[in-house]
Amino acid sequence: ETGVTQSPTHLIKTRGQQVTLRCSSQSGHNTVSWYQQALGQGPQFIFQYYREEENGRGNFPPRFSGLQFPNYSSELNVNALELDDSALYLCASSPISGGARNEQFFGPGTRLTVL
Amino acid sequence: AQSVTQPDIHITVSEGASLELRCNYSYGATPYLFWYVQSPGQGLQLLLKYFSGDTLVQGIKGFEAEFKRSQSSFNLRKPSVHWSDAAEYFCAVGATSGTYKYIFGTGTRLKVLA
Repeated sequence: ETGVTQSPTHLIKTRGQQVTLRCSSQSGHNTVSWYQQALGQGPQFIFQYYREEENGRGNFPPRFSGLQFPNYSSELNVNALELDDSALYLCASSPISGGARNEQFFGPGTRLTVL
Repeated sequence: AQSVTQPDIHITVSEGASLELRCNYSYGATPYLFWYVQSPGQGLQLLLKYFSGDTLVQGIKGFEAEFKRSQSSFNLRKPSVHWSDAAEYFCAVGATSGTYKYIFGTGTRLKVLA
């Protein structure tokens, strides 16, 4: 069974650019959540996708957007990058069948640096 | 509002000593509670979780946690710490309806002295 994978591992961008981060969910999982973890902070919920639809969003501006594909993999897109977007971006997948009781399985993250 | 507080930013213990990491939560109902560990540059690994039932839960790597409703706490404990336990520990609340998101605390960084 393959766990959650994310690509790329590291990324360096400059202010104003756009970035796309990718996540492959664990086999059998149809829900993907994205979190932003700034240095020295806990992860903050960005949004969640279930069956290719956004299923809730945290306190992030619209320049953070996402997609989920039929194979349940997902992308996080960030437009007009700002310095404060520098963070570790974590993807987590879970099976929705058990509802909220389902554990979220986290990927290793993508480290984004904005210069 | 839902929130998680981890009062201790840093904790240092000697190898072999006991450990307790504190976690307090604010949630409208009985939440789902989790403890995760994160090693430097790594993702999050689940140590243990509480949904209902026995308030003392056992996890991996010899960790346990106790849910105390009256204190809105879910403290993590380990009787004897190993040098490999040095890492950052996060407590999280899982929403029980709507968007099944996690709300994390700010973490406690554990240092282990040889």
